Amino acid sequence: DTGVSQDPRHKITKRGQNVTFRCDPISEHNRLYWYRQTLGQGPEFLTYFQNEAQLEKSRLLSDRFSAERPKGSFSTLEIQRTEQGDSAMYLCAEGAGGPQETQYFGPGTRLLVL
Amino acid sequence: RKEVEQDPGPFNVPEGATVAFNCTYSNSASQSFFWYRQDCRKEPKLLMSVYSSGNEDGRFTAQLNRASQYISLLIRDSKLSDSATYLCAVRAYSSASKIIFGSGTRLSIRP
Repeated sequence: DTGVSQDPRHKITKRGQNVTFRCDPISEHNRLYWYRQTLGQGPEFLTYFQNEAQLEKSRLLSDRFSAERPKGSFSTLEIQRTEQGDSAMYLCAEGAGGPQETQYFGPGTRLLVL
Repeated sequence: RKEVEQDPGPFNVPEGATVAFNCTYSNSASQSFFWYRQDCRKEPKLLMSVYSSGNEDGRFTAQLNRASQYISLLIRDSKLSDSATYLCAVRAYSSASKIIFGSGTRLSIRP
């Protein structure tokens, strides 16, 4: 068990509102990832950090989405002006890096936009 | 064409049966391969990494076929608790960290 925690676990919001999710990895792994998963699909990569540097962003990450990892530990993912299509499970994962890196997921934040 | 493709299933097999899933990937430069298990409304959990030589962990065996660009997962003596969605995941050489997941294969074990 990685001990990756995410908060909140569930979020219901109205269209147009802003929401922020937090991810706290427990281990010393320096890589942190955000994925989004919708029903019947596998997780889709959104972005990742190595320490505090955001190194890659998916085209899925529109300008309404922003992620930060200010001190290289916890991370936040903010969605501005939420749309119904943003409804999904948002998963955070940690990894140690390297070519054979495995990624371990937190429990996710389930977002429902009404 | 999706980068990683899986048969969505569902596979419905009796307890004790052997079941196998395949997963195909399109990027021949892919370097790392994984199987994750995901229970309903839970996060994916790493089941096993897949190595070139194939690897086994108890009742689970994973194999990689680079020539045909697929990986497989074999579950022997299936248990009721094996019921879950099995996600195939691939890391491409072009991105050292991003993992591409398949849509998952649903497995249901019946008593």
